[in-house]
Amino acid sequence: DGGITQSPKYLFRKEGQNVTLSCEQNLNHDAMYWYRQDPGQGLRLIYYSQIVNDFQKGDIAEGYSVSREKKESFPLTVTSAQKNPTAFYLCASRRETEAFFGQGTRLTVV
Amino acid sequence: AQSVTQLDSQVPVFEEAPVELRCNYSSSVSVYLFWYVQYPNQGLQLLLKYLSGSTLVKGINGFEAEFNKSQTSFHLRKPSVHISDTAEYFCAVSRTNTGNQFYFGTGTSLTVIP
Repeated sequence: DGGITQSPKYLFRKEGQNVTLSCEQNLNHDAMYWYRQDPGQGLRLIYYSQIVNDFQKGDIAEGYSVSREKKESFPLTVTSAQKNPTAFYLCASRRETEAFFGQGTRLTVV
Repeated sequence: AQSVTQLDSQVPVFEEAPVELRCNYSSSVSVYLFWYVQYPNQGLQLLLKYLSGSTLVKGINGFEAEFNKSQTSFHLRKPSVHISDTAEYFCAVSRTNTGNQFYFGTGTSLTVIP
């Protein structure tokens, strides 16, 4: 089945540690996105990539980094510079006018 | 710039009653419009989309939405809700010219009461 796989589903990390969230897609889509979701704030764009080896900052990129070395993969690293990293993170890809979402990763920093 | 406003953060409704979830947008260019549904701890699933043509759009699970250009609205409706419709609903827009980004509203939490 084609789709977007995010792993892990739940992630716990100590404050000050970097952590990488995985996003893999087998839909052959060029564009991929990372969103952060907080209660009452909807989805906010962190980074997006329109093609391999290229990516752009979204609205809340500070404290995050990404790479796009392969079409299928768009990992997100939450660095220690992100002041409030506890959130639900969603990865998406795009085909023409429609976005397809993964199941999300809930990151909790303790 | 584009923005999306969902006027109601929470909507409780009794089972089998009709519901309307409101969405207004602002944009200086033409846009595509979307409604997505999210169940707890899951990703978003597309309910319906408006690209062009008929302003009344039908989606999955009996939902429909009407695009009103003069009022810049895209309200979601269902004539009779079911318990299983309890979820978070997001309205979103995307520009038609470059179309690379989606802009989401803050969401409406629909609770269907038995």
